[in-house]
Amino acid sequence: EIVLTQSPATLSLSPGERATLSCRASQSVSSYLAWYQQKPGQAPRLLIYDASNRATGIPARFSGSGSGTDFTLTISSLEPEDFAVYYCQQRSNWPLITFGQGTRLEIK
Amino acid sequence: QITLKESGPTLVKPTQTLTLTCTFSGFSLSTSGVGVGWIRQPPGKALEWLALIYWDDDKRYSPSLKSRLTITKDTSKNQVVLTMTNMDPVDTATYYCAHSVYAKFFDYWGQGTLVTVSS
Repeated sequence: EIVLTQSPATLSLSPGERATLSCRASQSVSSYLAWYQQKPGQAPRLLIYDASNRATGIPARFSGSGSGTDFTLTISSLEPEDFAVYYCQQRSNWPLITFGQGTRLEIK
Repeated sequence: QITLKESGPTLVKPTQTLTLTCTFSGFSLSTSGVGVGWIRQPPGKALEWLALIYWDDDKRYSPSLKSRLTITKDTSKNQVVLTMTNMDPVDTATYYCAHSVYAKFFDYWGQGTLVTVSS
């Protein structure tokens, strides 16, 4: 079973700073990696798919990179609305889909 | 415009069977590549994928819950139904349904429905 490990668990930064979130897979997932943002009381929102493609309507300050087992979500300059929990998700043959445990991005 | 909405009981007793319905609009579940998945999230915890059904009626389940889950679709009604047997308090969670393309990602989500398991 493919396990996704996200780090750090919590990231404390200030608006305007750069955020770098990591997601590591226990085995290769090729580029089948997506990132989601979730705010309290809301459903997750797709940010990045296929490791590096921004979803419709996602600001350019969000970018994704990586392939194989190591992936990164970067937020170039944090806006107040970016403080939330971020999840990565992979798709493979088995199990079909798994999520990481999440990274909480909080205001410093 | 794609929308999805979950419906079902908010409270179930231990050992009962949970039946949740996802009613969607803006897409067809007979279109090649399209799928609808179920994901849950216990309070304060991470997302957990449960099941997904493809346009061709192929069904996939989380290995850890496979024995308790059944997913079906009614294309004419634009609905996907998830049943989960033998509910336990640890199954208390918000349950989401979501639209997927080739199961690579979930691009549209329902608002979620909170299900509490308690006697």
